[in-house]
Amino acid sequence: EIVMTQSPATLSLSPGERATLSCRASQSVTSSFLSWYQQKPGQAPRLLIYGASTRATGIPARFSGSGSGTDFTLTISSLQPEDSAVYYCQQDNSLPPTFGGGTRVEIK
Amino acid sequence: QVQLQESGPGLVEPSETLSLTCTVSGGSLNNAYWAWIRQPAGKGLDYIGRIYSSGSLYYNPSLKSRVTMSIDMSKNRFSLEMSSVTAADTAVYFCAHYKQYCTAGNGGNCFRYFDLWGRGTLVTVSP
Repeated sequence: EIVMTQSPATLSLSPGERATLSCRASQSVTSSFLSWYQQKPGQAPRLLIYGASTRATGIPARFSGSGSGTDFTLTISSLQPEDSAVYYCQQDNSLPPTFGGGTRVEIK
Repeated sequence: QVQLQESGPGLVEPSETLSLTCTVSGGSLNNAYWAWIRQPAGKGLDYIGRIYSSGSLYYNPSLKSRVTMSIDMSKNRFSLEMSSVTAADTAVYFCAHYKQYCTAGNGGNCFRYFDLWGRGTLVTVSP
């Protein structure tokens, strides 16, 4: 199965700063099969980005995704207090679908 | 809008069978994939498997020998059974809608992702 590795494990930034989250796959992933999710404590994950770069319905424009092959990035252009959460990447290029271990974003 | 809600026992004894149901409201199960994903406390997300409205199945090979999924179109719900559970199966279990589609035309792209999730239900395996 494809192993997804996310870095850093934790990111601590101030409001208004730019957050850059990395996701690396153990094998090449077709971009259209790479997604990002946001999970807040006690809640279900929420789809943020699919197809590596397409925002899901209702997701603010400060969230953007990029990348190809084995390296993908989620960028939050200007952090807001409500962005405090764990972010997961997920591949669906080959079975079984797999998730990264997550990056926790903390707002100072 | 479509909502998913998991239900089932919160406590299961070791070696017994875990049984959960996901009820879908505000929409139909037709022509769609439905999935189960779990999350041990403080850890990441693990894919269990999925079922199509026709009954077609895929299970994660790591759990395949213990997992059974089914779907009940008349009650608009789908279910998960996991046998011979141990403490390692203690987790929050989520049901989700799995969207898979391709755009039309030459050079069309295909996409796959989980776009709707239930709130999750905690299942603890303990005597």
